[in-house]
Amino acid sequence: EAQVTQNPRYLITVTGKKLTVTCSQNMNHEYMSWYRQDPGLGLRQIYYSMNVEVTDKGDVPEGYKVSRKEKRNFPLILESPSPNQTSLYFCASSRQRNTEAFFGQGTRLTVV
Amino acid sequence: SQQGEEDPQALSIQEGENATMNCSYKTSINNLQWYRQNSGRGLVHLILIRSNEREKHSGRLRVTLDTSKKSSSLLITASRAADTASYFCATGGGTSYGKLTFGQGTILTVHP
Repeated sequence: EAQVTQNPRYLITVTGKKLTVTCSQNMNHEYMSWYRQDPGLGLRQIYYSMNVEVTDKGDVPEGYKVSRKEKRNFPLILESPSPNQTSLYFCASSRQRNTEAFFGQGTRLTVV
Repeated sequence: SQQGEEDPQALSIQEGENATMNCSYKTSINNLQWYRQNSGRGLVHLILIRSNEREKHSGRLRVTLDTSKKSSSLLITASRAADTASYFCATGGGTSYGKLTFGQGTILTVHP
């Protein structure tokens, strides 16, 4: 089954404690991206990757890092989380940058 | 601001009625897509319409695109309670490498 898998689904952490949200896809897609979803602001792109070892900033990259060492995995790293990063995060993959996107189930992050 | 702007922000109808949601955008596009999101879950792709197409159907869904007005509409016919969800339009940039940009969504509630 074609899918994008994110982990964890829920996470509560404290300010400053580094965390990683994992994302994996099984469709051999080249393009992967991370979004955050906040009430009234819709989905905003954080980072994206066009292929292995190729990543670039999206619209709201501050406070986040990513890596793409393998085609299937695209982890999101928060080196020093802050409360304003409390949000619902989605990973997505697609064959190309603006074709049909497949989304993970989301990670609800709370930073206290 | 977001490229795609949905209207209305919220729509409440009875089962069996049709639901129409609209999306307006600002710049040239390669395609326009509609996604559905059940509460707090990942987005699911519904339909993609290319910039050279005017109308597209998929089951009970009908999408129109008017590039001269920079607008699209999603019609769901014979709505069911299970159609209750948020619906997002996403515009794919004017080139094949233009990114997907999401609107803020329309919340549809279908009452049994």
